[in-house]
Amino acid sequence: GENVEQHPSTLSVQEGDSAVIKCTYSDSASNYFPWYKQELGKRPQLIIDIRSNVGEKKDQRIAVTLNKTAKHFSLHITETQPEDSAVYFCAASKPDSWGKFQFGAGTQVVVTP
Amino acid sequence: NAGVTQTPKFQVLKTGQSMTLQCAQDMNHNSMYWYRQDPGMGLRLIYYSASEGTTDKGEVPNGYNVSRLNKREFSLRLESAAPSQTSVYFCASSEGTGGRQPQHFGDGTRLSIL
Repeated sequence: GENVEQHPSTLSVQEGDSAVIKCTYSDSASNYFPWYKQELGKRPQLIIDIRSNVGEKKDQRIAVTLNKTAKHFSLHITETQPEDSAVYFCAASKPDSWGKFQFGAGTQVVVTP
Repeated sequence: NAGVTQTPKFQVLKTGQSMTLQCAQDMNHNSMYWYRQDPGMGLRLIYYSASEGTTDKGEVPNGYNVSRLNKREFSLRLESAAPSQTSVYFCASSEGTGGRQPQHFGDGTRLSIL
């Protein structure tokens, strides 16, 4: 089945710097890649997603890139702020999987002022 | 604009007790999911329901049962709770059909089993 690996497991950045989280997936049939942010004690919330027919997508300070050949996708956060501190999860989904996701293990991002 | 609603928010059980976690969504989604999240860990799929009337096992189904009561509601039952089932349980829903749609999560149920 699908396997998603996420790196790094923890990431400390200075406020204002950029943060990059990378995920690799195993099943080339995967065609949908969402990213979730989970603040302490809260539910996971979708922050951005990308479909396999697109190579890059941006939303203000957040961007996601997809390399289908290499089977990896990355989350980029620019000009980080303390409120970006959270756990970030990537996921991958295949057609005909009834919307099931295979989640990565998560990245704890800490933004220090 | 409730989205996915889970009840209860917190529960403490004794080993061997039974418990049903409730989940309801108001987005007319076809698919619903139950996950557990242990401290410092990711999300593990327990059971899912692709559509009303169907359920299937996920990654960690042992010790759990589910019921898709109707299109809106999907419940998770622990028949005989064990300390290893202490966790945060999240329900999620998505349009499901055809994939490529996000899952929307509820606020979670924090369950402690003594």
